[in-house]
Amino acid sequence: QITLKESGPTLVKPTQTLTLTCTFSGFSLSTSGVAVAWIRQPPGKALEWLALIYWDDDKRYSPALKSRLTITKDTSKDQVVLTMTNMDPMDTGTYYCAHRPYYGGKAWFDPWGQGTLVSVSS
Amino acid sequence: QSVLTQPPSVSAAPGQKVTISCSGSSSNIGNNYVSWYQQLPGTAPKLLIYDNNKRPSGIPDRFSGSKSGTSAALGITGLQTGDEADYYCGTWDNSLTAVVFGGGTKLTVL
Repeated sequence: QITLKESGPTLVKPTQTLTLTCTFSGFSLSTSGVAVAWIRQPPGKALEWLALIYWDDDKRYSPALKSRLTITKDTSKDQVVLTMTNMDPMDTGTYYCAHRPYYGGKAWFDPWGQGTLVSVSS
Repeated sequence: QSVLTQPPSVSAAPGQKVTISCSGSSSNIGNNYVSWYQQLPGTAPKLLIYDNNKRPSGIPDRFSGSKSGTSAALGITGLQTGDEADYYCGTWDNSLTAVVFGGGTKLTVL
């Protein structure tokens, strides 16, 4: 059974850097084809993809947020970390990590973590 | 403004069928697989369909996916009140080199 869980601060101040950790079990990020994504959702709004890291350490970022994002993995700890710099109130929302299986298309995710709500306010 | 276009809302009566559309372009839906997610109120998204029309284990066959050209659709038959949720389509965009999602469709079962 694959599970993922997000952790990190619930409140950050504008201009600060957000660091979120996704701790997973049931799969290895060393397995060829596997990837982990970060996806966020502002309150009452749609899903927005942020970043993707592959088993071979290849990385992809949202073009709109690329300059502010860094995604890394620690295979020994079964964790993926996302950092987002220069946080703004518009970044308030629920942040999810999700597993991308090794088979099938490039962009499908199953399962997702429960999400963590991050508020940006002074 | 989302790269993929979905209707903001759809509605139908219990027991009926509904179709949710997802429109894109040749850089995304036209040349990549589409996935669909169900998000019940207050919960994380759940995969319903991957690779255009495949259902993960545990997803009932009331849910189906299809794709034609640069558009995709999610069909739900035998509607139940428990199907009331937001539904999202997603795919890869070759031009953006990015995952893209639709704006979401709110399903109301009247």
